[in-house]
Amino acid sequence: GENVEQHPSTLSVQEGDSAVIKCTYSDSASNYFPWYKQELGKRPQLIIDIRSNVGEKKDQRIAVTLNKTAKHFSLHITETQPEDSAVYFCAASSTTGGSYIPTFGRGTSLIVHP
Amino acid sequence: DSGVTQTPKHLITATGQRVTLRCSPRSGDLSVYWYQQSLDQGLQFLIQYYNGEERAKGNILERFSAQQFPDLHSELNLSSLELGDSALYFCASSARTSGGEQYFGPGTRLTVT
Repeated sequence: GENVEQHPSTLSVQEGDSAVIKCTYSDSASNYFPWYKQELGKRPQLIIDIRSNVGEKKDQRIAVTLNKTAKHFSLHITETQPEDSAVYFCAASSTTGGSYIPTFGRGTSLIVHP
Repeated sequence: DSGVTQTPKHLITATGQRVTLRCSPRSGDLSVYWYQQSLDQGLQFLIQYYNGEERAKGNILERFSAQQFPDLHSELNLSSLELGDSALYFCASSARTSGGEQYFGPGTRLTVT
């Protein structure tokens, strides 16, 4: 089955700095890679996703890059703000056959210091 | 508010018992997903239903079962509960059968004593 490794487990930055979270996956059949943000005591929320036919996707201060050959994808947050503090999860899944079985990374706790 | 509702919010029960968690998807969403989140196992996909039929299965124990009813709400049944089943259980819904944005409910926190 799929295995997703996520690093680092904790990331502490100063407000305004950039933050990068990296994930690797094992199954070459995986073709959909969402990122979720989970604030303390709240539900996970999708912040950005990328499919395997795209190398990079950007949404304002957030971007995701995908390297299919190396089987890794990364989340980039620029100009971090204190409200970006949360746990971020990556996931990898195959969407073939009409099913969706995501495997999640263990999460990165991002702390943005004002 | 994602539009997905889950009941109850909290549940405390004893080992060996059985509980039912309930989820109502967003209006119009046909897919329902169940997830378990615990400190030691992280976030794990359990099972997906689409329009009443099981579509995909993840790391769901045999003691657990789920179903989706004609009105599209879903229930997750956990039986012969063990201490290790204590976790946050989320359901999510989406309009698509696979991939795409999922909207998570607020979760049910299950404590097994």
